Amino acid sequence: EPEVTQTPSHQVTQMGQEVILRCVPISNHLYFYWYRQILGQKVEFLVSFYNNEISEKSEIFDDQFSVERPDGSNFTLKIRSTKLEDSAMYFCASSLKPVSNQPQHFGDGTRLSIL
Amino acid sequence: KNQVEQSPQSLIILEGKNCTLQCNYTVSPFSNLRWYKQDTGRGPVSLTIMTFSENTKSNGRYTATLDADTKQSSLHITASQLSDSASYICVVSGGGSQGNLIFGKGTKLSVKP
Repeated sequence: EPEVTQTPSHQVTQMGQEVILRCVPISNHLYFYWYRQILGQKVEFLVSFYNNEISEKSEIFDDQFSVERPDGSNFTLKIRSTKLEDSAMYFCASSLKPVSNQPQHFGDGTRLSIL
Repeated sequence: KNQVEQSPQSLIILEGKNCTLQCNYTVSPFSNLRWYKQDTGRGPVSLTIMTFSENTKSNGRYTATLDADTKQSSLHITASQLSDSASYICVVSGGGSQGNLIFGKGTKLSVKP
């Protein structure tokens, strides 16, 4: 069964550094998402992306965050100047149609640790 | 404020037994409610999706119910197996949302032999 793959599985970065988290969504999916889960807390929505632009974003997704689909297969989340509170598990997800009526397929996440 | 609350926080049951997990939500407008299974260290996996008009939906040994009037849902697991040990997360989608799902904190289920 097709899977969403995320790399790296664990990223350790110094505070203030830029980090790029990578995702390869399921190949025929058109809608892409990033979520984060701080240890012990709920999964939180960050951003959704369709047709090469952001379709929705949360309050968490401020100016330090950006997303990009640089080619036909990858979907990236960039954090420009990381802070300690950015430490979390980041999940990428994709769906064939809008999430309002379709299941999302999640990757296994990237654990980001900011030192 | 849009919220999803789940109970219990954690649950331990013996293999072969049934259990029911609860979810209450205050999300408005409402589009659909989902149950996900999340194994430790893995991403969530969709179990069921129910819209406003659906009262129950099954996926193998998992049966979800929805009462849109009382804004409550349950997930019933029948004849539990060791592999059912995981967190079960209730997620609500608001109307027109492109992905802004509201997640519950999950119920951590442990199935013991």
